[in-house]
Amino acid sequence: EDQVTQSPEALRLQEGESSSLNCSYTVSGLRGLFWYRQDPGKGPEFLFTLYSAGEEKEKERLKATLTKKESFLHITAPKPEDSATYLCAVQAGGDKIIFGKGTRLHILP
Amino acid sequence: SQTIHQWPATLVQPVGSPLSLECTVEGTSNPNLYWYRQAAGRGLQLLFYSVGIGQISSEVPQNLSASRPQDRQFILSSKKLLLSDSGFYLCAWSFLAAGELFFGEGSRLTVL
Repeated sequence: EDQVTQSPEALRLQEGESSSLNCSYTVSGLRGLFWYRQDPGKGPEFLFTLYSAGEEKEKERLKATLTKKESFLHITAPKPEDSATYLCAVQAGGDKIIFGKGTRLHILP
Repeated sequence: SQTIHQWPATLVQPVGSPLSLECTVEGTSNPNLYWYRQAAGRGLQLLFYSVGIGQISSEVPQNLSASRPQDRQFILSSKKLLLSDSGFYLCAWSFLAAGELFFGEGSRLTVL
């Protein structure tokens, strides 16, 4: 069964304190791995797509990386406005897209 | 540009009442369409997805159903709501064969 597990469930950081969020997956035939940001009461907002091991994508203070079994979302020198829930999702064969439970990130000023 | 509209934004329904949530996409043709439910502590649960008019794939057996009467319209329904149907319902679309999802603002359903 396809599965996505994110860790930690929650993370509190001081402003400027860099860290990483983890997304491990078990799928047969990965077609793509996706990262989203979700603010409270809103729909998720697409951040990145990764297709193959070794691939990296960057956007402002965020960088996503992919290996054969997991992905990391690195956040460098975060600011309070980076506080949100970060979701990881995978697309295996077909059109089904499965999400992890997310990591709630809180950046303290 | 493409936009997605989802309504109603909030609703409170008694147990046993019917449900209809609507979602429409503008600015694209032949999108894949998805319904997800987000309950506290459970993440995003895929309920239904559709790759074309009248084509619905169900992921979770339950008292909900989905329909796609038009290319860019996706409807989530129930004949009789249960307490466990409470949650945040999200509609999303993607380009065919691509995986990036674009979400609506969500509908928060409380069943009492």
